[in-house]
Amino acid sequence: DAGVTQSPTHLIKTRGQQVTLRCSPKSGHDTVSWYQQALGQGPQFIFQYYEEEERQRGNFPDRFSGHQFPNYSSELNVNALLLGDSALYLCASSLELGYTFGSGTRLTVV
Amino acid sequence: GENVEQHPSTLSVQEGDSAVIKCTYSDSASNYFPWYKQELGKRPQLIIDIRSNVGEKKDQRIAVTLNKTAKHFSLHITETQPEDSAVYFCAASRGRDDKIIFGKGTRLHILP
Repeated sequence: DAGVTQSPTHLIKTRGQQVTLRCSPKSGHDTVSWYQQALGQGPQFIFQYYEEEERQRGNFPDRFSGHQFPNYSSELNVNALLLGDSALYLCASSLELGYTFGSGTRLTVV
Repeated sequence: GENVEQHPSTLSVQEGDSAVIKCTYSDSASNYFPWYKQELGKRPQLIIDIRSNVGEKKDQRIAVTLNKTAKHFSLHITETQPEDSAVYFCAASRGRDDKIIFGKGTRLHILP
């Protein structure tokens, strides 16, 4: 049973560029949440997708957007990258309670 | 807004001793409290969780307690082992359809 898979694992982008991160949820999970984890901090909630709709959103600017596809996979898009966007981006899927996290995408903005 | 405070930020205990991590939450509607363990360079992994209708839950060497009146909950690890060294996160949520809010984490060091 595949867990949550994220791609790519590492990414280096230049300030001002745009980036797309991808997530495939655990088999049977219909809800996908995205988190940003800065170094030495706890994961910060970005948004959650369910039935292809953004159900909840955290305190992140509109530069952060997402999408969920009919097969429940999801994308996180970040426009106009800032140096402060450098972080580990975690995708988590769930069906009931309790998230299963992917290994994350390490984004470095230079 | 919703907030989860976690203490201490760093904890060192002798191997074999117990470790306790404490958290408080601000949203009185929270009813689900998971704990995650994150080893260096790895994903957070759920180690135990508790729902608001239960005051305590135990799984081998790990136990969690919840005091809804005071809005705090704790993680207890007994007979600590070297492999317990990691960062531990507490979290709170209103339930199935709600986001999970994390604390800032506790770095646990098990000393030989």
